Order: sequence, then C-alpha cells, then structure tokens
Amino acid sequence: EAGVVQSPRYKIIEKKQPVAFWCNPISGHNTLYWYLQNLGQGPELLIRYENEEAVDDSQLPKDRFSAERLKGVDSTLKIQPAELGDSAVYLCASSQGTSAGETQYFGPGTRLLVL
Amino acid sequence: AQSVTQLDSQVPVFEEAPVELRCNYSSSVSVYLFWYVQYPNQGLQLLLKYLSGSTLVESINGFEAEFNKSQTSFHLRKPSVHISDTAEYFCAVTRFTGGGNKLTFGTGTQLKVEL
Repeated sequence: EAGVVQSPRYKIIEKKQPVAFWCNPISGHNTLYWYLQNLGQGPELLIRYENEEAVDDSQLPKDRFSAERLKGVDSTLKIQPAELGDSAVYLCASSQGTSAGETQYFGPGTRLLVL
Repeated sequence: AQSVTQLDSQVPVFEEAPVELRCNYSSSVSVYLFWYVQYPNQGLQLLLKYLSGSTLVESINGFEAEFNKSQTSFHLRKPSVHISDTAEYFCAVTRFTGGGNKLTFGTGTQLKVEL
C-alpha cells in the first residue's frame, strides 16, 4: 500500500514569491492534515479536512496561506507571498476517520527555504 | 489546551545500552498518548500509542512506554538500543473528545546511538 505522497520534496524560492505544495493521501483516507514543522520544534497543525471540507483551519494564517482539497482526495497548500519566516518543513498526514486516537500517517514533507 | 514537554533535546547513548526518553503532558481533559519516530529525511511514523487498558504499551521493535496518570507522564524506554534506533522521537497527545484527532506534539528528542 502506497503511503502519503508529497511533492516537491525540496523548494527554494525568493521572498515575496508564491509557492505550492501537493499531497496525495493514502487511498480511502477521508481525513487529511497539513502540519508545519519549524526547525527544532514539533509539528503544529495548520488545517484539517474531512473529505473536501476544512473543519479546522484556526491555525492557518489566512492572509497569505490557502489550502484546498477538491474532490476530497488530493490537497494543495499555497503561500502567497512567501516570507523569510515561512522556511520550514510542511507535512501532510492522513487518517481513515477523525476518531480521537486514530493513527495519522505522515508523508516525507516538503522542505521550504525562503531566501 | 494541551501541552507536551520533552525536556531532553538530545540523548546520546552507546549501542546495547538502555535508554529512556522522557515525556510529560499537561491537559485539563483526558488525552490519548503517542510516540512518533522520524528517521532522517523521512516522515513521522507511529511507534506506539496508549488509548486504554494496560498502562504499558509496546512496539514491534522493542520500545515500550508506560502511562502514568498521577505523574502525567508517558516515558519511552528500550532496554538495549541499536544503531538503527538513531532518530528523532516525538511525544504527542490528542483529546478524548472535541479535538477532532488534532495532535499536539512536544519539541522532540534526538536519540543518537554510538558504537
């Protein structure tokens, strides 16, 4: 069974440029999560989808970040414009449902460097 | 709100020695507890989790963790480590209810196993 797929794995951009990250969850997983992991820190939730609906986006900086999950499968996270402080690893995860305690499966992440 | 504290940012240990990675949590509601492991250039993988029942949980590769409610701890232990255990280990919690399976992570502990 294929795991969570993310692309690109690495991205270097200049500040003020836009950038987008793509995630394909495990087949059949209805719930998708985007996490931000700063250097030396644990991941922090940005947004959670149940199918195509964003049910928790309270931690997403909506002035520059946006996300979508069309058709309830793949998801894209976008930053426009990027700032120096956005340099981090962006992790995507998925789970079958949203029951507390359910295992989340993580992708390898996209490492973003903003110059 | 929940929080997770991993006091040790790095733990060096010799191969075949025992190791303990400490995790303490704070929450006003009941939580489920997890340990995730992140190998270099890979995504996070679930190592083990405590949902209910026996307070001692084990992983398939020899790690174990014990839930201690009175001390609000979930320390991870292994009696004899291997070079391949070198990785970063994250402790995390989710609320029993109302949290939508949102993981709150600690800052991680880098385990470095040396010959």
